[in-house]
This record gives sequence, structure tokens and C-alpha cells, in this order.
Amino acid sequence: EVQLVESGGGLVQPGGSLKLSCAASGFTFSGSALHWVRQASGKGLEWVGHIRNKANNYATAYAASVKGRFTISRDDSKNTAYLQMNSLKTEDTAVYYCIRQEYDGSFFDPWGQGTLVTVSS
Amino acid sequence: QSVLTQPPSVSGALGQRVTISCTGSRSNIGAGFDVHWHQQLPGTAPKLLIYGNSNRPSGVPERFSGSKSGTSASLAITGLQADDEADYYCQSYDSSLSGYVFGGGTKLTVL
Repeated sequence: EVQLVESGGGLVQPGGSLKLSCAASGFTFSGSALHWVRQASGKGLEWVGHIRNKANNYATAYAASVKGRFTISRDDSKNTAYLQMNSLKTEDTAVYYCIRQEYDGSFFDPWGQGTLVTVSS
Repeated sequence: QSVLTQPPSVSGALGQRVTISCTGSRSNIGAGFDVHWHQQLPGTAPKLLIYGNSNRPSGVPERFSGSKSGTSASLAITGLQADDEADYYCQSYDSSLSGYVFGGGTKLTVL
């Protein structure tokens, strides 16, 4: 079964940092791109960024709202992707999902169950 | 404001047909990028519903169908069932933003 499991969410103060993990199983992790998408409570989905595979030099791209503050990385030996979030703002409060993209231009599937990040003093 | 525009809500009676529109521009849907649809049932993570404009993943009923034309796409649901009540999101790629984009989501209410 193709599965993604996020972890690492929690409560953090504004200006703080947090690192989320996304553990994958059931597919060839090293060949896939991994995306992060977030959803504030009662709001819609917002693409955060992604990391491509080794064949594409692990290239990353980010939404303007997080560029320069968030960094996506991956460890193919551990089948895990990461989202390092720095200089957190209250508006970063959301459930964060990781999703697989099998190849460039293809669809997002599956979604993980999400992990909640709360930025508050 | 989302790059892809969806109606905030739609409703339909049990057994009826509804459609949800997704309007983009020449830098996303109109540029030829595929449109995908995701269904989010209450309290759960989103799930892929339609991929590549009109394809259903295994396990998705034929009642769900997608189409694309010009700078817009549509999701149609026939034979509405109570458990179709969910939020539906369209998604594509935008070349101007060099990133992926979602519609604002449409809440489906089954009457």
C-alpha cells in the first residue's frame, strides 16, 4: 500500500522553527517528487513547495508566501522528506500534508493524513 | 484569492446531477496543463478524485467525471449520494508562478 505519514507538528512561538517529516512506504520513493500542501482551519488548500528526484538534481520550488523561510529536503536512504520551517508566523498555522507526485506534470497521490502546526504565543 | 476560481458552494438533491466549475487563465489551464480534482470528506485528508482532466483512479465511481476546455475545467457528479457531501478542489500548474495552484474549493451539499 502506498502510504505517506507526516510527523513533527506542534505548538511553536512566532519567529520560531519547526521541522516536519514525511515517511513514505509502498512505492519507489527515490523516483518520485514530494510536495507539501497546507490548509488553515476552515480554509482551502495552499501549495507550499516541492522537491524533485535525484534525476532532476533534487530541485526545489516554493510558494511566494514561504520562500526564504521554508526549506524542503529529502533522504532517499530513509524514504523520508522534510519541511524545515523557520521564522514562523501566526499565518503559517495549518495542517501540513505531504503528497507524492510520481513524475513531473503528473497528479498528486496519495495524500498523507497531515500534521497540525500551530504558531502562537 | 485563488488562481483557479471555483464557486464556494453547490447543492443538489439526492439522485440529481451537479457540476463544479474551475476557471483559470492562459498561464495554467489555458496553457495546456492538466487539471486534477481532489475530494475532501469532512474531517479527513484530501483524496485524488480525477486526474489528467478526465481520468478516474481505481475505485472512483463512474458517477464522477471531469472535462476541460480552453481556460476552464468542470467536475460533474451524477446520481448524487449523501456521502458525496464534501469539499472539492481543482488543481493545476501555473507557468507564471512556476508553481502548483489550487482552486478555492467548492462545498457540495446534498439536499
